[in-house]
Formats: sequence, C-alpha cells, structure tokens
Amino acid sequence: QVQLVQSGAEVKKPGSSVKVSCKASGGTFSSYAISWVRQAPGQGLEWMGRIIPILGIANYAQKFQGRVTITADKSTSTAYMELSSLRSEDTAVYYCARVVSDYGAFDIWGQGTMVTVSS
Amino acid sequence: DIQMTQSPSSLSASVGDRVTITCRASQSISSYLNWYQQKPGKAPKLLIYAASSLQSGVPSRFSGSGSGTDFTLTISSLQPEDFATYYCQQSYSTPPNFGQGTKLEIK
Repeated sequence: QVQLVQSGAEVKKPGSSVKVSCKASGGTFSSYAISWVRQAPGQGLEWMGRIIPILGIANYAQKFQGRVTITADKSTSTAYMELSSLRSEDTAVYYCARVVSDYGAFDIWGQGTMVTVSS
Repeated sequence: DIQMTQSPSSLSASVGDRVTITCRASQSISSYLNWYQQKPGKAPKLLIYAASSLQSGVPSRFSGSGSGTDFTLTISSLQPEDFATYYCQQSYSTPPNFGQGTKLEIK
C-alpha cells in the first residue's frame, strides 16, 4: 500500500523560503497527481497546487501564483513544495495527497508538515 | 472558482444518532464531490468519492448522495470514533475547493 511520508517541522523567518518533501513508498508514484493542501491553525483546508510527476506539469492556485513551486523527482518518488516570501499568515500544516485519476479525490495523504513563520 | 458551502458549521449529537451534513456548490459539479473526515492533529481521510461511492475500508454507516449542486453526507448511527470535522470537496474543476468544514461534537 502506498504511503506518503513528509519531511519534518520547520521554523522560518519572514521573507525566507521553505521546501517540504513528500516521499512515496510501497507503490506507483509517477502515474498519479500529487496535490498540496495547507491548513492554518484552527482553520479549514486550502488547496495550493498539484503536479503530475510523469509529465512534470504543475498548476497552482491563483492565490499562490508566483510564490509556490511544486516539483517532482521520479527517480526518488518524491514531490516537493517550495513556498517563498514567507509571512506569518503562512504558518500552517502542509499536506501532500495523492489524487485518484478518475474522480479527483485525494485518497492518500501525508502525515503533514508544520511550518511556523516567526521572527 | 467554484465555492463550496457546508451546513451546519457545527453539530452536537449523541452516540446512535443519525446525522446529515449538507454541502452546496456554487454551480453544477455533476457527481464530482468528495467527503473527508479529519480528527485533531491528523491528516484528512477520504470517506466518500464521486458523491456516493464508499472508499475502501470505510464503515457502511457512512453514505453520500446528491448531484448537481446539492449533496449530503449521512452517518446512520453515530459511533464514538465519528466525532470529528467533516469536509466536502469538489473535484469538477480547478481549484478543487473544500467546504469550510462541519465540526461534529458529542452532546
């Protein structure tokens, strides 16, 4: 069964960047899209963007255009989400999730990575 | 963008109750509607996809219905482990937005 394992918690200064990884184990990686979703403390779920590793094509939510970059390394079955120009409002748990092709549902999720932005 | 609105935002119920949560899309999304359960400190878990299909391993007390713009998630007989926050999500178009969530609490 596929598992998505994310990198550990990060503490960053305002204006800096963070790069979170999401490694797939136990199954096929490249043929599914991987989405990134974040959740600010006490808030709901917010989609940031996705990548199709086999194609290397990413698209992003309008809100994050120009600040987020999602990439994938097929050789290591790992997806990455880099967010730049961090501000306090970016403090959140960041999740990666596998997207089921036919219906677009997110069937497998990583455990989440807490990113804290603080001076 | 398609907006998703859930109601109620919170709900108190007892073990054994039948509970229904509603999700409305700002435009038709056919059956591209998914439901997730999230417990504190945990990642969301897929319960229902394509409006009414039960994800593998999810108990049969969970069911989903609807198409177009109006959808429901029903829990037929609440169990202690069902107290959590529930989110709907449309996967009809990008961005695949989520509803604001419904927090289900113990009465």
